[in-house]
Amino acid sequence: ATRMTQSPSSLSASTGDRVTITCRASQGVYSYLAWYQQKPGKAPKLLIYAASTLQSGVPSRFSGSGSGTDFTLTISCLQSEDFAIYYCQQYYSYPLTFGGGTRVEIK
Amino acid sequence: EVQLLESGGGLAQPGGSLRLSCAASGLTFRNYAMSWVRQAPGEGPEWVSTISWSGSSTWYADSVKGRFTISRDNSKNTLYLQINGLRPEDTATYYCAKGGGDYNPFDYWGQGTLVTVSS
Repeated sequence: ATRMTQSPSSLSASTGDRVTITCRASQGVYSYLAWYQQKPGKAPKLLIYAASTLQSGVPSRFSGSGSGTDFTLTISCLQSEDFAIYYCQQYYSYPLTFGGGTRVEIK
Repeated sequence: EVQLLESGGGLAQPGGSLRLSCAASGLTFRNYAMSWVRQAPGEGPEWVSTISWSGSSTWYADSVKGRFTISRDNSKNTLYLQINGLRPEDTATYYCAKGGGDYNPFDYWGQGTLVTVSS
């Protein structure tokens, strides 16, 4: 199975900050990498797929990059509604696997 | 608007069975692979199973293989998960999600149904 490792596991930031979250795959997944945002009591929401393609309706302050084994999610100017947990997920091969999550908290 | 509505969760005893359903609307259900993803309390999401658009192909996580069966009825726009041999570690919110097959992410999710396994 492809192991997905996210870092950091949590971070504290202020509104307006630029935030970067990294995700590393234990083996290459090409660009079959998605990022999700999850808020308490809600289902995960797709933000980015194909490593860098913004899902319809997602604000442009979110961006993704990378391919192969190393990926990045960037939030360019953190807003109050962005405080949540973020997960990466590879969909290149079964079993489909998620990273452990990054909790973005208010500083 | 795509809507996925799960049902069938609840409290079950170890070794028991449950059948989860997911009613889909707002999409041409028969065109898409569908999946189940679960999330234990305080943990991250865990992929459980995926079924192809036709139902002819299925994939399972090792943790559920042989105990869970995914199926679909395209005439009813409904996805199912038959869960047998329940274990305490199966306690989780189970989400129905569009995608997971044919190199597609999970682009739509239901609200989830909670399964609690306890004696």
